[in-house]
Amino acid sequence: QSALTQPRSVSESPGQSVTISCTGSSTDVGHYDYVSWYQQKPGKAPKLLIYDVSERPSGIPHRFSGSKSGNTASLTISGLQAEDEADYHCCSYGGNYTRVFGGGTKVTVL
Amino acid sequence: QITLKESGPTLVKPTQTLTLTCTFSGFSLSTTGVGVGWIRQPPGKALQWLALIYWDDDKRYSPSLKSRLTITKDTSKNQVVLTMINMDPVDTATYYCAHRGPVLASAFDIWGQGTMVTVSS
Repeated sequence: QSALTQPRSVSESPGQSVTISCTGSSTDVGHYDYVSWYQQKPGKAPKLLIYDVSERPSGIPHRFSGSKSGNTASLTISGLQAEDEADYHCCSYGGNYTRVFGGGTKVTVL
Repeated sequence: QITLKESGPTLVKPTQTLTLTCTFSGFSLSTTGVGVGWIRQPPGKALQWLALIYWDDDKRYSPSLKSRLTITKDTSKNQVVLTMINMDPVDTATYYCAHRGPVLASAFDIWGQGTMVTVSS
């Protein structure tokens, strides 16, 4: 069970959009529609943003959206705001009731 | 309101056993579909899923750490305990427990604040 692959960092200006990829394999991301995304700010615990690939929990702004194609899931942040600067982690169901996380992506708002 | 809080030693020596307790409120671990997981994060590094225990006492472990981990629950005390044997400096990390609910079943929707554990002699 290998960690999912995410870009180390992405950056964009306020108001623009960024997309973070999360690449797994046919045994995790590609096999199940159970990808979740978490936002983590320095010194804080992760916060759930997206579950089941594209579902938003209540209270999460619509500018956060998720999708999946093949073995790669993606998180898009539209209308980037300064407060969105954080680390973002993907997680997939890995079969047999296990979970696997990605390496994390640092989003910088220029 | 669901809350979780981790507790345990902040410093352990190499080869020792780590015991962490997750004390929660706002839900019952006897409710169908509910689970509590443990996730850790070494300083400056990625999250790593460790273990998950379900309402029916089903237990799942990270394949790479399975031989070192034990997860148990005490429903009456609203606690989940994670034990990790043979600690090593590479196990230095912040350890989180998190709630897995029956609705958002694929995700951890509520997390504890985390507890930092350093492994050093």
